[in-house]
Amino acid sequence: EIVLTQSPGTLSLSPGERATLSCRASQSVSSSYLAWYQQKPGQAPRLLIYGASSRATGIPDRFSGSGSGTDFTLTISRLEPEDFAVYYCQQYGSSPVTFGQGTKLEIK
Amino acid sequence: EVQLVESGGGLVQPGRSLRLSCAASGFTFDDYAMHWVRQAPGKGLEWVSGISWNSGSIGYADSVKGRFTISRDNAKNSLYLQMNSLRAEDTALYYCAKDIYRFGGWGPFDPWGQGTLVTVSS
Repeated sequence: EIVLTQSPGTLSLSPGERATLSCRASQSVSSSYLAWYQQKPGQAPRLLIYGASSRATGIPDRFSGSGSGTDFTLTISRLEPEDFAVYYCQQYGSSPVTFGQGTKLEIK
Repeated sequence: EVQLVESGGGLVQPGRSLRLSCAASGFTFDDYAMHWVRQAPGKGLEWVSGISWNSGSIGYADSVKGRFTISRDNAKNSLYLQMNSLRAEDTALYYCAKDIYRFGGWGPFDPWGQGTLVTVSS
């Protein structure tokens, strides 16, 4: 099973700042089958990025993903008030599908 | 518009069974793999099980293998999760989620339903 470790656990930033979230895998994620999700309180997760760097439909271009192998990054270029939420990475290249433990992005 | 609506959750005693359902609409259900993902209160996401578009490929998390059974009825646009021998640690919000690729493998998932809450307690 591939274990995904996200850092930091909590990130405190202000609107307008740049956010960088990390996801490290215990072994290489095949074909960059790595996705990022956003979850707000009381809501279901929403797909942001798949294939490590492809934005899902309707996702603003301030969200971008990068990385390969075992190290992946989600970057939010300029934080909007609605971006403060919990973010999860997911690998779907090997079974079982696994998620990281999440990074909480909070308003400073 | 794609919609996934879960049902069947509730309060159940340890050792008992429960069957969850997910009603799908707004897309060609039998073209896509489907999944169950759970989230314990205040915790992160855990993939529970997935089933390919034609039920030819099925997978389970180790934590539920041998106790849970996923199935689908393409004629009814419905996904199911039969949960037996329930434990306190199965308490969670259970989400139904759709694969983004037609005739694809496991993930990524979009969209997700709003979830149905399962509470295992005596």
